[in-house]
Amino acid sequence: EVLLVESGGGLVQPGGSLRLSCAASGFTFSSYALAWVRQAPGKGLEWVSSISGSGDITFYADSVKGRFTISRDNSKNTLYLQMNTLRAEDTAIYYCAKDFTNGRLVVYVPYWGQGTLVTVPS
Amino acid sequence: QSALTQPPSASGSPGQSVAISCTGTSSDVGAYNFVSWYQQHPGKVPKLIIFEVSKRPSGVPDRFSGSKSGNTASLTISGLQAEDEADYYCSSYAGSNNLGVFGTGTKVTVL
Repeated sequence: EVLLVESGGGLVQPGGSLRLSCAASGFTFSSYALAWVRQAPGKGLEWVSSISGSGDITFYADSVKGRFTISRDNSKNTLYLQMNTLRAEDTAIYYCAKDFTNGRLVVYVPYWGQGTLVTVPS
Repeated sequence: QSALTQPPSASGSPGQSVAISCTGTSSDVGAYNFVSWYQQHPGKVPKLIIFEVSKRPSGVPDRFSGSKSGNTASLTISGLQAEDEADYYCSSYAGSNNLGVFGTGTKVTVL
């Protein structure tokens, strides 16, 4: 069974930093691209970032480019999202996401974590 | 990438059908058959219900169907049931060097 468990969310002041983690199990971790998807309170879904299985290919939404860094440790089966220079508009639930297949980019999300809430007051 | 355009709301009575549109561009929906749909109940994690325009993951009722024409994809819920009341989001692949893009979301109400 695929299991994705996020952690690291919390309250952080504008301009601050936070690192999210996603501990994964139930599949061959290094074979799959993973992604972060976020949802602001009462709002829609937004792709944030995606990383290939080997970690050498990354993608970012324009809204976070230059401030967020996605990475993974395949020896620990863990995905990360380093978030710097946080803004009020980054307030959201951040979900860890996995696709069916082992492409270079997450296209579909049949597997979701439960999410971790990041709050940046205005 | 701009969000795909969905109607804010849709509704129908139990047993009826409801269709939700998802309009993109020739760079996303119109260019690839990699459109997906997600169902999200309040306070819950999204659930994938359609992928590759019209395929259903195991366990998703065949009341849910998807299609695409040009730059617009559609989700149809047939035989509407009370538990179908939820938010629905489309998403599309946007090329090998881009993240995908989600739709703006549609709230489906069962009258």
